[in-house]
Amino acid sequence: AQSVTQLDSHVSVSEGTPVLLRCNYSSSYSPSLFWYVQHPNKGLQLLLKYTSAATLVKGINGFEAEFKKSETSFHLTKPSAHMSDAAEYFCVVSDRRTYKYIFGTGTRLKVLA
Amino acid sequence: SAVISQKPSRDICQRGTSLTIQCQVDSQVTMMFWYRQQPGQSLTLIATANQGSEATYESGFVIDKFPISRPNLTFSTLTVSNMSPEDSSIYLCSVVVGSEETQYFGPGTRLLVL
Repeated sequence: AQSVTQLDSHVSVSEGTPVLLRCNYSSSYSPSLFWYVQHPNKGLQLLLKYTSAATLVKGINGFEAEFKKSETSFHLTKPSAHMSDAAEYFCVVSDRRTYKYIFGTGTRLKVLA
Repeated sequence: SAVISQKPSRDICQRGTSLTIQCQVDSQVTMMFWYRQQPGQSLTLIATANQGSEATYESGFVIDKFPISRPNLTFSTLTVSNMSPEDSSIYLCSVVVGSEETQYFGPGTRLLVL
């Protein structure tokens, strides 16, 4: 069975400081992992994905994530937070046989001026 | 990727009534899914919409409550039947294009049941 755990429900950072959103996964085989962002009253937007190619994945808006098999982690980072980054972020693991997604519980990022 | 539209974008309904939500995609897709996002919560998969056959429902969701149709490769509907206030949620459709694993999401339908 697959699962994903987002370790923080809320994260607050100051504008211009680094962002770290943590995600751990459990999978009986090599997983595909994704990060999505949901801005208030908006749909879900794909930030980046890992599908067994390079372990360091670069996404949109300066975000990146590193797949670490030994730690079963896929943490999302950004060097410098911007006010527009304030949103809900979801870590997702995919079942490659059925294409079904399993969502984490989400992390709400707050960016302080 | 794919461009996905949903109708209606939002609605306020009375308990006991039903609402049908439409999902339209601008290209043929491999898979279509329906999700529910309750207030302040993450997304929960309701079902996989299968073209020309009955949808595949996840545990906790039944066809009588959430009938789904998918008559072709670009269109699906989800009906929320006999609504109660607990059905107040955002309902989202998503699609998989070709053989890539990425799901693309529609903008969602915000439903409030009074």
